Amino acid sequence: QSVLTQPPSVSAAPGQTVTISCSGSSSNIGSNSVSWYQQLPGTAPKLLIYENNERPSGIPDRFSGSKSDTSATLGITGLQTGDEADYYCGTWDSSLSVVFGGGTKLTVL
Amino acid sequence: QVQLQQSGPGLVKPSQTLSLTCAISGDSVSSKFATWNWIRQSPSRGLEWLGRTYYRSKWYDDYAVSVKTRITINPDTSKNQVSLHLNSVTPEDTAVYYCSRGDPPFDYWGQGTLVTVSS
Repeated sequence: QSVLTQPPSVSAAPGQTVTISCSGSSSNIGSNSVSWYQQLPGTAPKLLIYENNERPSGIPDRFSGSKSDTSATLGITGLQTGDEADYYCGTWDSSLSVVFGGGTKLTVL
Repeated sequence: QVQLQQSGPGLVKPSQTLSLTCAISGDSVSSKFATWNWIRQSPSRGLEWLGRTYYRSKWYDDYAVSVKTRITINPDTSKNQVSLHLNSVTPEDTAVYYCSRGDPPFDYWGQGTLVTVSS
């Protein structure tokens, strides 16, 4: 069981907007920045969002992040079929370890 | 552009040591601004951070409690690479292993190595 809690799956139609939640505690999300990763089938995770809401160079602004207290949210607007992937949140924990969510499978209907 | 190229065996026998190497290009293992991690992924455990090494005037390492007694992550400055050694493996250690740069966030990842623990 993962330390951070994500919904197992979400789905939406092309062009629509979807949000993915990530719930933690005061020892992780509550006191550290959250990053989000996209993992396409058979590939390594790719950094999408860092420091809660910052996008690395090359990540389109359709992807956004936010954080409030002990929860974080990834938002994706203008869904495309190429966005179908698994999405993970991650952060540092005061137990001196990095923790991840269990992952959310996004289906673009 | 940073690239991480992993190498190592895909099959390890139970009770033996799993050893993987991550060759770094585009950055230095000794950089005072980089941290080098090993992360694994399996269907049963999801993404699991195993540990890290980094240089800040001297070498440091940190390990996950779940593997702390069995793991070593070593930098090799002569080859600009970082290695993972996990001993006394069991079938539960079967996973895809990744090396990655970051504190987090993890901005660069290796290609992943599927390691199966089986006799």
